[in-house]
Amino acid sequence: RKEVEQDPGPFNVPEGATVAFNCTYSNSASQSFFWYRQDCRKEPKLLMSVYSSGNEDGRFTAQLNRASQYISLLIRDSKLSDSATYLCVVNIWNAGNMLTFGGGTRLMVKP
Amino acid sequence: DVKVTQSSRYLVKRTGEKVFLECVQDMDHENMFWYRQDPGLGLRLIYFSYDVKMKEKGDIPEGYSVSREKKERFSLILESASTNQTSMYLCATSTQSGEPLHFGNGTRLTVT
Repeated sequence: RKEVEQDPGPFNVPEGATVAFNCTYSNSASQSFFWYRQDCRKEPKLLMSVYSSGNEDGRFTAQLNRASQYISLLIRDSKLSDSATYLCVVNIWNAGNMLTFGGGTRLMVKP
Repeated sequence: DVKVTQSSRYLVKRTGEKVFLECVQDMDHENMFWYRQDPGLGLRLIYFSYDVKMKEKGDIPEGYSVSREKKERFSLILESASTNQTSMYLCATSTQSGEPLHFGNGTRLTVT
């Protein structure tokens, strides 16, 4: 089983739609969680950190479910510019607290 | 804003050549990392460093070495490039373990 797993997609949604991605992680002692966005042929960029209480940044909401060991990203009112790959990142305590990346979920927002 | 600069955006090398990929950061971050990213395989950690002159192997160190002589600079070395090292190489930094990574804009290396 991979340490961090994501549905690769692609998720094809119309503009204005609400879309949600989940990411599961295997290490129950993980403490740091992040969502990154990566555009085609570009580097990953931090989208948001994920806190225990959940957090929101404009149209984006991130949630953490420790009991089920997953994090989620909700995007409301999708824009064409949201089309990208979204990477889930989790720290792995038994590997020197290294950050481990999921394979990414591709989102395509259509007009 | 953290700036992580990779020396080349695109690089084409021949099999057997020695290849140097350079990464420089301007924010005094302790940790520096080298990843490669391939379709279907995601981001894989090659090497990382927590301090000057210190290096640790990541998940796929074979065929690579690194050098960190100064805090701001972390070099990835391909001793003898092979075609299976054709990839996108990404340098990243962080303030400490578990903190978010800041990436350079990547070097797309093609080995022919």
